[in-house]
Amino acid sequence: KAGVTQTPRYLIKTRGQQVTLSCSPISGHRSVSWYQQTPGQGLQFLFEYFSETQRNKGNFPGRFSGRQFSNSRSEMNVSTLELGDSALYLCASSMEGGGTEAFFGQGTRLTVV
Amino acid sequence: QQQVKQSPQSLIVQKGGISIINCAYENTAFDYFPWYQQFPGKGPALLIAIRPDVSEKKEGRFTISFNKSAKQFSLHIMDSQPGDSATYFCAASYHTGNQFYFGTGTSLTVIP
Repeated sequence: KAGVTQTPRYLIKTRGQQVTLSCSPISGHRSVSWYQQTPGQGLQFLFEYFSETQRNKGNFPGRFSGRQFSNSRSEMNVSTLELGDSALYLCASSMEGGGTEAFFGQGTRLTVV
Repeated sequence: QQQVKQSPQSLIVQKGGISIINCAYENTAFDYFPWYQQFPGKGPALLIAIRPDVSEKKEGRFTISFNKSAKQFSLHIMDSQPGDSATYFCAASYHTGNQFYFGTGTSLTVIP
């Protein structure tokens, strides 16, 4: 069974640009969550999508957005990139969410210069 | 406010020893408590998880102890091996939704 796939693995962007990251969950999983991981702030929740609807949202500015498609694949977008957006972005998939096993992808390492 | 507090920040254990990592939470509405292991350059991997109606769960060398009244839970790694050297995160989530609140992580080093 294939795991959670995130693309691309690495990205270098310039301040002010925008970026789109992709996450393909495990087959059959309908919940996809996104997290930002930095050495200073640790793992912070961005948002969760379930059946194409945003179900939960963390405390991030509106520059961070996401969506989920009918096949459960998800994308997150960051507009007007800032240096502080440099981080490892992780997505996690689970069957239903709500306190069930969640499996993470390898992450996308975003560097903003 | 940190909803899940984790300690210690780093831990060094001899091969064959027991590694113990502790977490404490505030919100009694949390319903699910997983532990994740993360190696450099990799995403977190689910190790073991517990629900509050169980006081202990064991899977191989990994055991979670859960104290509902104290709002604390811990991970015990028995017979620690150099290959266990990684960062460990505890987490908590509610019954609904898939939003995890993570601890700050513990860097474990097992020396041969």
